[in-house]
Formats: sequence, structure tokens, C-alpha cells
Amino acid sequence: GAGVSQTPSNKVTEKGKYVELRCDPISGHTALYWYRQSLGQGPEFLIYFQGTGAADDSGLPNDRFFAVRPEGSVSTLKIQRTERGDSAVYLCASSLAGLTLISGELFFGEGSRLTVL
Amino acid sequence: GENVEQHPSTLSVQEGDSAVIKCTYSDSASNYFPWYKQELGKRPQLIIDIRSNVGEKKDQRIAVTLNKTAKHFSLHITETQPEDSAVYFCAACYSGGGADGLTFGKGTHLIIQP
Repeated sequence: GAGVSQTPSNKVTEKGKYVELRCDPISGHTALYWYRQSLGQGPEFLIYFQGTGAADDSGLPNDRFFAVRPEGSVSTLKIQRTERGDSAVYLCASSLAGLTLISGELFFGEGSRLTVL
Repeated sequence: GENVEQHPSTLSVQEGDSAVIKCTYSDSASNYFPWYKQELGKRPQLIIDIRSNVGEKKDQRIAVTLNKTAKHFSLHITETQPEDSAVYFCAACYSGGGADGLTFGKGTHLIIQP
């Protein structure tokens, strides 16, 4: 696609429920990132994939959060037993091959706004 | 881990004047420093970035300077225009060795007064 696509754009759920957020990166981008942005804050790093593998998951806040990228393109962020504190905009970004390249740049999606009641 | 501090949180300037936003970082290994612009309800978009092998980079009205010794970097916008109004975020990371996660500052809300 032309840009990073995220679905759903909005998700309202109840405390304790399970949610999945999907990210479709720019075609050909091997690097994929998930960030979380709370109101009035900068994006907070969650996890980075290079191809199918999670190269860095140090930002995942706890074991309720998990992400997969089974075929090296689309990724799904999964949140179990949601809590009100999980409410935020979840941003996905992709990069051609990561930030190491001189031309490396992150392209963000519009985000999925998650509200936990 | 990396910690990025950004100042000011809000900056109001007259149209046509210059705006400067400053950031400091804690991890001396960080080597990549991008700046993002985010309009209300929109995605962050890269406006300029700098790597640790250069001290300054310019792109039309926007420039970024990096002082690795002092561990700070700044965004300079000259001849500000109404469309420059947005929230600006600085970020830093060590890129390489399998880690690529950016640490962002808390943002600066730039307001251009007509």
C-alpha cells in the first residue's frame, strides 16, 4: 500500500477483555515497530520486528502484551485482560530496513485509538 | 535506558519569527536523532534527522544542531508560518546491534501567532 495502514481506527472495550490491533506496513519494509501514545505524551516504544522476528521487545509493559508478525509483513498487537490504563493510541511504524541505514526513516500509521471502559 | 528531556512544553512565536526547541539525552551511545511534527489527531511525520557523525543539518527553513559532548540537540525553524503550528517531538536511539527503539521527548506545542 501507499502508507502504513492500521485497523481498527477506534476500539472501545470493557476492562478484562481481549483486543487485537492490526498493522499493515509499507510494502517491502522489513522493519516494523509498535509504539503507544497517551494524551499529551510522546510515543512510547513497545516492540521492534526485523522480518518475522522480534528484535527488541524491551518496551512491552508486561506479559499481557504480545505481538506477532508471522510472515514478515502484517503484524498484530494483542492485549489480554485489558485495563483502563491501557487506553491510548497505538501507533505502528515501518522502515525499509531499520534506522541503521543512512536513509532509514520511520513511517507511522494513523494509529488505533483504544479505550478501555 | 535512554531518557530524553524536551523544552519548552509550549512555545508561542509571532509569524515570521524563529522558533527553537531543545532536547537533552542521557545515553552517550545514542547515534540517531530525529524530529517529528504531529498535527492534532494525525500521525507523527519526520521533518528532519541527524546522525552522530555530523553537527548540523539544514533543510530550507528547518535546521537541527547536535552537540554530542553536551548530549543535546536543537530544532530551529526560521521565518515561521501558520502551518508550522503543531506538536514537535524530538527522539533519540542507538541504532544498531538489534535495538532500534526510539525514545521520544514529551513534545513541544508550537503556536504561531498571526
